Amino acid sequence: GENVEQHPSTLSVQEGDSAVIKCTYSDSASNYFPWYKQELGKGPQLIIDIRSNVGEKKDQRIAVTLNKTAKHFSLHITETQPEDSAVYFCAALKQGYSTLTFGKGTMLLVSP
Amino acid sequence: DTGVSQDPRHKITKRGQNVTFRCDPISEHNRLYWYRQTLGQGPEFLTYFQNEAQLEKSRLLSDRFSAERPKGSFSTLEIQRTEQGDSAMYLCASSPLDGQPQHFGDGTRLSIL
Repeated sequence: GENVEQHPSTLSVQEGDSAVIKCTYSDSASNYFPWYKQELGKGPQLIIDIRSNVGEKKDQRIAVTLNKTAKHFSLHITETQPEDSAVYFCAALKQGYSTLTFGKGTMLLVSP
Repeated sequence: DTGVSQDPRHKITKRGQNVTFRCDPISEHNRLYWYRQTLGQGPEFLTYFQNEAQLEKSRLLSDRFSAERPKGSFSTLEIQRTEQGDSAMYLCASSPLDGQPQHFGDGTRLSIL
């Protein structure tokens, strides 16, 4: 089955800095890659996603890049704010399947 | 659009008891998914429905677990004879169609004493 690895497990940045979280996937048949933000006591919230026919997608301060050849994708957050502090999960969905495979998460801490 | 709703938010029970959780998906979402999340891990897939049909079950879903979506709207997840290892956050998600973004509820946190 699909395996998703996520790095780093924790990331501390100063407010205003950029943050980058990286994920790799194992199955070349995966074609949909969402990113979720999870705050304490809440469920994962979809923040951005990308499909395999696109190399990059941006939404305000958040961007995701995908390298299909290397089978990795990354989340970029610019101008980080304390409210960006949360656990971020990447996931992959294999074509023809309906279930997401998640990474183990990255705890992002943005210090004022 | 009120989002995915789960009830209860927290459940504490003794080992051996049965528990049932409810999930109300976003209205008109045909797909409904159950995931389990343990501390420090990402969500793991348990099962999913398209309308009232249960289409896939993970190996994580032992025979003590059963899920239903009788009218294609809300779903229930029941765990019989709970064990310590069942302690986790149980998350429900829904999506309009296959391959469309999945939106999660805030989960039910189960603690087994």
